[in-house]
Amino acid sequence: DQQVKQNSPSLSVQEGRISILNCDYTNSMFDYFLWYKKYPAEGPTFLISISSIKDKNEDGRFTVFLNKSAKHLSLHIVPSQPGDSAVYFCAARTTSGTYKYIFGTGTRLKVLA
Amino acid sequence: DTAVSQTPKYLVTQMGNDKSIKCEQNLGHDTMYWYKQDSKKFLKIMFSYNNKELIINETVPNRFSPKSPDKAHLNLHINSLELGDSAVYFCASSLRAYNSPLHFGNGTRLTVT
Repeated sequence: DQQVKQNSPSLSVQEGRISILNCDYTNSMFDYFLWYKKYPAEGPTFLISISSIKDKNEDGRFTVFLNKSAKHLSLHIVPSQPGDSAVYFCAARTTSGTYKYIFGTGTRLKVLA
Repeated sequence: DTAVSQTPKYLVTQMGNDKSIKCEQNLGHDTMYWYKQDSKKFLKIMFSYNNKELIINETVPNRFSPKSPDKAHLNLHINSLELGDSAVYFCASSLRAYNSPLHFGNGTRLTVT
């Protein structure tokens, strides 16, 4: 049972435009959400996170939006750059219990120059 | 000044052999994890240790045995390797605290022939 889902396996965006990556989750106990970026042959790198008490968090070109009622989060990258081309994973965690981080299946973003 | 380092980066071995992967973090984190990324690129949690105590043990064959000599180290020993064990194994660490992201190592690509 995949509790965190990224339904778009890939996305292509023109350089300078906005990239929007989406993520859905099913467990209402999740209260901390994260986005990671992964280049080939490297480990996932933490990008940005948001707690369930917020609906938006911004860090430079990256903004994460959380819609708790829809159990949906998204990552906006503006403006997109060729160096942003990578696989992006969303993840979610509950604060209680074992602090297990559950990952989505990833979306491959290609930013075209 | 690598934060989470794991060795070796590549491991090629034959079926039936026993092998170990080592992981060390210098971030002062108290919780460490092993994740497996299979051929479908899913990142699945295997184990987690908090201050040397096993707190997460997913449905993983008994051939896999984690060991944490101290909170900065988490090793993974695999007995009687099988073809299906071929994957990329990622070590990660975090603080057992709210709003603490996971930090990953660069992975160990295990190939069983």
